[in-house]
Amino acid sequence: EAQVTQNPRYLITVTGKKLTVTCSQNMNHEYMSWYRQDPGLGLRQIYYSMNVEVTDKGDVPEGYKVSRKEKRNFPLILESPSPNQTSLYFCASSFTSGGLRTQYFGPGTRLTVL
Amino acid sequence: EDQVTQSPEALRLQEGESSSLNCSYTVSGLRGLFWYRQDPGKGPEFLFTLYSAGEEKEKERLKATLTKKESFLHITAPKPEDSATYLCAVNYGGSQGNLIFGKGTKLSVKP
Repeated sequence: EAQVTQNPRYLITVTGKKLTVTCSQNMNHEYMSWYRQDPGLGLRQIYYSMNVEVTDKGDVPEGYKVSRKEKRNFPLILESPSPNQTSLYFCASSFTSGGLRTQYFGPGTRLTVL
Repeated sequence: EDQVTQSPEALRLQEGESSSLNCSYTVSGLRGLFWYRQDPGKGPEFLFTLYSAGEEKEKERLKATLTKKESFLHITAPKPEDSATYLCAVNYGGSQGNLIFGKGTKLSVKP
C-alpha cells in the first residue's frame, strides 16, 4: 500500500530536549515536505526537499533542521524545542508525472513541548 | 498579507444543497493550484491539481475550476460524508517544492 508514515504519532517533551520525528514514504517520490498546522494559521511549510541531499527552507524554518540522505526518508529535527513549537506536524511526499503533481500526506504527529 | 485566501471560513449546507467554495490568490507566476480535503485529526487528502486558467477537474460531486485570480470548488448535491475542511494551496515562482496553503473552508452537510 502506497503511504507516508510518521513516527511518533504523539509526543510530549520538555523545553530543550532534542527530538526527531521520522518520515518515510514507499512510493519512490522525489519531493518531500514538512508542514506544521496551527489553529487560525493553517498549514505552513517548514522545509522541503526536491531530491536526495537537496533541501530548502519553507515559510517557517526557524528552530528546525532536516536531512535527506535517502530518497524514502526525510526526518525533522528539533535541536532545542520550545513551547511555541507545540503543533500538529505533517510530512508529505509528491511526484510530477505528465505535468500532474500529486501530493500524499502522512497521518500527522501531535507534538507538545512543555 | 495573505497570498492565498479561502472563503467562506465555514459553510453549512443541507444535504442536496449545491454550493461553491472560493480560493483567491495574489501570487505571480502560478505553477499550480491544489485542492485537498482534510478530516479531523487526519492528514490532508489530495483532490485536484489545476495548472492554467480555464482548466476544470471533476471527481464525483466535486468540480474545481481555475481563473487567473481564483479557483472555485463546486459541490453538487452534497452528502453528509462530504463534511470536512477543504484546503487550497498554490505553488509559484521558480521552485516546484514551495507550497502556500489557505486557511481552509470547514464544510458541514446536514442530512
